[in-house]
Amino acid sequence: SQQGEEDPQALSIQEGENATMNCSYKTSINNLQWYRQNSGRGLVHLILIRSNEREKHSGRLRVTLDTSKKSSSLLITASRAADTASYFCASSSGTSYDKVIFGPGTSLSVIP
Amino acid sequence: EAGVVQSPRYKIIEKKQPVAFWCNPISGHNTLYWYRQNLGQGPELLIRYENEEAVDDSQLPKDRFSAERLKGVDSTLKIQPAELGDSAVYLCASSFRNSLSAEQYFGPGTRLTVT
Repeated sequence: SQQGEEDPQALSIQEGENATMNCSYKTSINNLQWYRQNSGRGLVHLILIRSNEREKHSGRLRVTLDTSKKSSSLLITASRAADTASYFCASSSGTSYDKVIFGPGTSLSVIP
Repeated sequence: EAGVVQSPRYKIIEKKQPVAFWCNPISGHNTLYWYRQNLGQGPELLIRYENEEAVDDSQLPKDRFSAERLKGVDSTLKIQPAELGDSAVYLCASSFRNSLSAEQYFGPGTRLTVT
């Protein structure tokens, strides 16, 4: 079973708008990662946020983490058509060996 | 630097036939993962290797699936016999574990269709 859940399942926006995706998880984590998957391709790592961090930026990406609510959000600002992809959160937990569990993903469509 | 290499990219087989997938991780990465991804879902871990040791195979259907990672580098994942429900994309990923958790680098995957 998957630990995380993303919402929305699908999101369609106009180019230039911001896109926000949310992820919830069930158990305590070491960190949470976000990945992007373009159609028919493998996943690409976007950003990692550790459990003691609350916010992290990378280019047009902003990730927040609220451990009290067991949730994270990914914000993509000034979206581009090339941002069209599926986005997955992956929670990492455990001590000796981190167990990474992916959520079902959010499908983002950016309309030119 | 070359990324994670997987072959074949596509495979179509009839049910009850065997199939094997091959993965060559990024050089120097000691951790290797095999995932299965069904359409519209996130990857589901099948097995994870730390060097040659399988440290997490709890989700691997051991009655029909097997995997090996000889010499701690390349890995193969085998299904025998395949069932219709095995149709999915099989992803291989690798990482260099120098902390509690590390970024995973994914290959392009093998799309398996069982007819």
